[in-house]
Amino acid sequence: EPEVTQTPSHQVTQMGQEVILRCVPISNHLYFYWYRQILGQKVEFLVSFYNNEISEKSEIFDDQFSVERPDGSNFTLKIRSTKLEDSAMYFCASRDRVGSEKLFFGSGTQLSVL
Amino acid sequence: SQQGEEDPQALSIQEGENATMNCSYKTSINNLQWYRQNSGRGLVHLILIRSNEREKHSGRLRVTLDTSKKSSSLLITASRAADTASYFCAHYSGAGSYQLTFGKGTKLSVIP
Repeated sequence: EPEVTQTPSHQVTQMGQEVILRCVPISNHLYFYWYRQILGQKVEFLVSFYNNEISEKSEIFDDQFSVERPDGSNFTLKIRSTKLEDSAMYFCASRDRVGSEKLFFGSGTQLSVL
Repeated sequence: SQQGEEDPQALSIQEGENATMNCSYKTSINNLQWYRQNSGRGLVHLILIRSNEREKHSGRLRVTLDTSKKSSSLLITASRAADTASYFCAHYSGAGSYQLTFGKGTKLSVIP
């Protein structure tokens, strides 16, 4: 079965550094998402992306965050200047078409900000 | 309770027993979904129930939805050790929104 691939699986960075989390969504999917899960807390929506632009974003997704689909396969989340509170598991997800409500999630990138 | 709250927060059962998890939500929904998360892994979609459905089955899973009480339950019958995972309910935030709102989840442990 096709799957969403995320790299790296773990990322350790120093506070204030930039990080880029990478995702390869399922190839024929059109809608892309980033969610995060702080340890012990709920999975939270960050941003959705369709047709090369952001469709929705949450309050968490401030100016420090950006997303990009640089080519036909990759979908990235960049955090410009990481903070301690950015430490979390970040999940990429994709959805195939209008009217389809099932999301396919990657295995996540565990980001640790020191 | 907060939106998308599951209970119990943790559940431990013997293999072969049934596991029931409950979820409550606050807003009007078009559908409600259940996801499973194995430790350290991503979320896997299990089942979706629409607001005009009351019950839905998929293999050993049975989901019910009571829109008047804004609640749903997930029943796993004849549990297996491999069912050990966290289970989350989720729904979309509103009309035209594909922002999924998740509950805190129920951590299920199935003891062989």
